Amino acid sequence: SQTIHQWPATLVQPVGSPLSLECTVEGTSNPNLYWYRQAAGRGLQLLFYSVGIGQISSEVPQNLSASRPQDRQFILSSKKLLLSDSGFYLCAWDGYTFGSGTRLTVV
Amino acid sequence: RKEVEQDPGPFNVPEGATVAFNCTYSNSASQSFFWYRQDCRKEPKLLMSVYSSGNEDGRFTAQLNRASQYISLLIRDSKLSDSATYLCVLKGNYGQNFVFGPGTRLSVLP
Repeated sequence: SQTIHQWPATLVQPVGSPLSLECTVEGTSNPNLYWYRQAAGRGLQLLFYSVGIGQISSEVPQNLSASRPQDRQFILSSKKLLLSDSGFYLCAWDGYTFGSGTRLTVV
Repeated sequence: RKEVEQDPGPFNVPEGATVAFNCTYSNSASQSFFWYRQDCRKEPKLLMSVYSSGNEDGRFTAQLNRASQYISLLIRDSKLSDSATYLCVLKGNYGQNFVFGPGTRLSVLP
């Protein structure tokens, strides 16, 4: 069965610091991978999705970026975090099966 | 108009009660529909898909009304463990995108 790993579970970062969140998938090959963000009291917002290595589609322009260096690895990054980047970041395989998420607080 | 709208609640109901949630959507091209459950500070998990003819899974019944562009979730005989936020989710028949509603919070009280 497919398993999605996300880390870290929680993260507190100062404004202006860089960010790197990693997501890996086991039990499948060539998965479609997604990054979502859920702000407090809001619905999930699709940030990026990838259908293969090096293929990234961005849904919302912002100071975040994503990369897919390997088939089962999806990375979310930022060079300089903003307060508004705080939220619950979720990686999903196939668009609707989620990892356990990373709760990011930018202070 | 937002793509997916849900009553945010909270719905506070006693154990054993029947509760219904509605979700309306604006994109008539939406093809697939789902209900998700999200516990506090956890990831959303698929509760059930919603089929055109309606479908039931134990105490849970989902309905789809394409003409009026809404889906519903009915929970019978509510349990304390049903307390969670319920998300309505749509997918079109093109592209890779799923659209999530903001969720309706349910609290089942003893």
